[in-house]
Amino acid sequence: EAGVTQSPTHLIKTRGQQATLRCSPISGHTSVYWYQQALGLGLQFLLWYDEGEERNRGNFPPRFSGRQFPNYSSELNVNALELEDSALYLCASSLGTGRASQFFGPGTRLTVL
Amino acid sequence: TQLLEQSPQFLSIQEGENLTVYCNSSSVFSSLQWYRQEPGEGPVLLVTVVTGGEVKKLKRLTFQFGDARKDSSLHITAAQPGDTGLYLCAGALRNDYKLSFGAGTTVTVRA
Repeated sequence: EAGVTQSPTHLIKTRGQQATLRCSPISGHTSVYWYQQALGLGLQFLLWYDEGEERNRGNFPPRFSGRQFPNYSSELNVNALELEDSALYLCASSLGTGRASQFFGPGTRLTVL
Repeated sequence: TQLLEQSPQFLSIQEGENLTVYCNSSSVFSSLQWYRQEPGEGPVLLVTVVTGGEVKKLKRLTFQFGDARKDSSLHITAAQPGDTGLYLCAGALRNDYKLSFGAGTTVTVRA
């Protein structure tokens, strides 16, 4: 069974540009979570989507947004990129919510120059 | 301040030794998960514990969830170089399905 996949693997942008990151969950998983792992800051929760709806978001500005498609894949958009947005962006999926285990993809390394 | 405090931050031991990593909080979690992460890769789920007092074993790894569901520990017996990595604990609060992560413990096992 395929795990969570993310694309692209690496993304290099300049300050002020927009970035789009993509995630495909494990087949059958309906919940998708996005996390940011910046150097020295650990994993921080960004967004949670379930059944196509945004259910919760972390303490990030509105320029971080996303959506979940009918096939449960998801997209994270970051507008007006800033240097401090450089990080590993991780997507996780789970079978439903509550106590369900979250399985992570390999991540997208975003570098903002 | 982090919801989950992990200790120690770094751990370097010789192959064959035992080690324990701790994860503590003042909050009650509905579930707690342990992950291992290699540099530049996504975290790999090791175990999920959901019941207070629960003990789970995965080969040489033993995971324990505290009775009050506020803390957890990971014990590795006879560590091997392949156990080297960043170990992360993460908890989900009741009715809040996002994970709050500890800062991680970097484990180095020397051959």
